[in-house]
Amino acid sequence: GAVVSQHPSWVICKSGTSVKIECRSLDFQATTMFWYRQFPKQSLMLMATSNEGSKATYEQGVEKDKFLINHASLTLSTLTVTSAHPEDSSFYICSATEDAGGPHEQYFGPGTRLTVT
Amino acid sequence: GQNIDQPTEMTATEGAIVQINCTYQTSGFNGLFWYQQHAGEAPTFLSYNVLDGLEEKGRFSSFLSRSKGYSYLLLKELQMKDSASYLCAVLDSNYQLIWGAGTKLIIKP
Repeated sequence: GAVVSQHPSWVICKSGTSVKIECRSLDFQATTMFWYRQFPKQSLMLMATSNEGSKATYEQGVEKDKFLINHASLTLSTLTVTSAHPEDSSFYICSATEDAGGPHEQYFGPGTRLTVT
Repeated sequence: GQNIDQPTEMTATEGAIVQINCTYQTSGFNGLFWYQQHAGEAPTFLSYNVLDGLEEKGRFSSFLSRSKGYSYLLLKELQMKDSASYLCAVLDSNYQLIWGAGTKLIIKP
């Protein structure tokens, strides 16, 4: 149980275009979803936290107009990288918890590797 | 500020035991997680400690001392597949996960 999927697994796009990444909880309802970015040989960096039906909470330094997050249902959250640039190339990982707050395990998706040329 | 410290890299021999330490300074504490992350993959859950003491789960054990702000992950009977990064993360008073930079564990035959 507690499976999270991401689509696509990898994507290559041209500079200036937008890319949408989907995160789905397959067998549970995810009240809260998290979006992380990880550069090579570095730890996870939390970008934003989203709760179903409400606006995402972005971490300091993350541009909300560039990284659009939508958590429209209890099983789906999307991250759209708008006007992507080569410096946005990274490994994007989502995770989800079943309950809001609380010491609950985060279930991670397999990640999406984005390369912007 | 909030801070999680763990060694950058460790090397151990197949079949041996290794202990990966993690110290933390956070605003509040609601538990500590250990995750395993293989290169190019997402993290996978290993353990969760919220009370002091040792939690054993097969070849892996995790220890917590809240008064010392300290935890360790103990891996026994090391296998080559255990080569990975091990991430320590603390849930703070706002139930936000604070991540360490990870410890890259290299297993040698």
